[in-house]
Amino acid sequence: GAVVSQHPSRVICKSGTSVKIECRSLDFQATTMFWYRQFPKKSLMLMATSNEGSKATYEQGVEKDKFLINHASLTLSTLTVTSAHPEDSSFYICSARDLSHEQFFGPGTRLTVL
Amino acid sequence: QKEVEQNSGPLSVPEGAIASLNCTYSDRGSQSFFWYRQYSGKSPELIMFIYSNGDKEDGRFTAQLNKASQYVSLLIRDSQPSDSATYLCAVNNAGNNRKLIWGLGTSLAVNP
Repeated sequence: GAVVSQHPSRVICKSGTSVKIECRSLDFQATTMFWYRQFPKKSLMLMATSNEGSKATYEQGVEKDKFLINHASLTLSTLTVTSAHPEDSSFYICSARDLSHEQFFGPGTRLTVL
Repeated sequence: QKEVEQNSGPLSVPEGAIASLNCTYSDRGSQSFFWYRQYSGKSPELIMFIYSNGDKEDGRFTAQLNKASQYVSLLIRDSQPSDSATYLCAVNNAGNNRKLIWGLGTSLAVNP
């Protein structure tokens, strides 16, 4: 199957700082990438849909000014958590969709905000 | 509200048995159906997808789709302890940027 990478896999930061997470499709071009968040023992929550070259579409309740998404190329999307606070601590997962519309997930980034 | 429903479990089966995981969906316009496996602390991994009514087999896994009943299931034959995980059902409909609608997942425990 297709390979999606995320970097970093784990990050610890101080409250008030910004954190950037990269998501790359390694062996295919992804016109659409998705960003999810998952709290412990909870289901995946879709945060936003990112289309290459256009603005991301955010789900209801997700602050677009806090979670900045950039999808500048067919293989890279970034999520920046701005002015992070402890309640933003979570497991952030990206996925990329190929031409067959299957979604392949990255390994996830565990964010801890102190 | 378009929904995908799964029994949260835990579903407990002995090693070697058949595990049956079920999922229902509310949107009749749904076109493709996916089963993902998620181990604790890891991201989801695609197990199978199915588009047409009937059964689709891949190794020990069989996906079954019944669009009339709006029902999709996953059977795991010869269950192994390594199959213990949460299984997520996801449904992709025609509209809404074709994003996946996710169930909450069923926790499966395969006991040695």
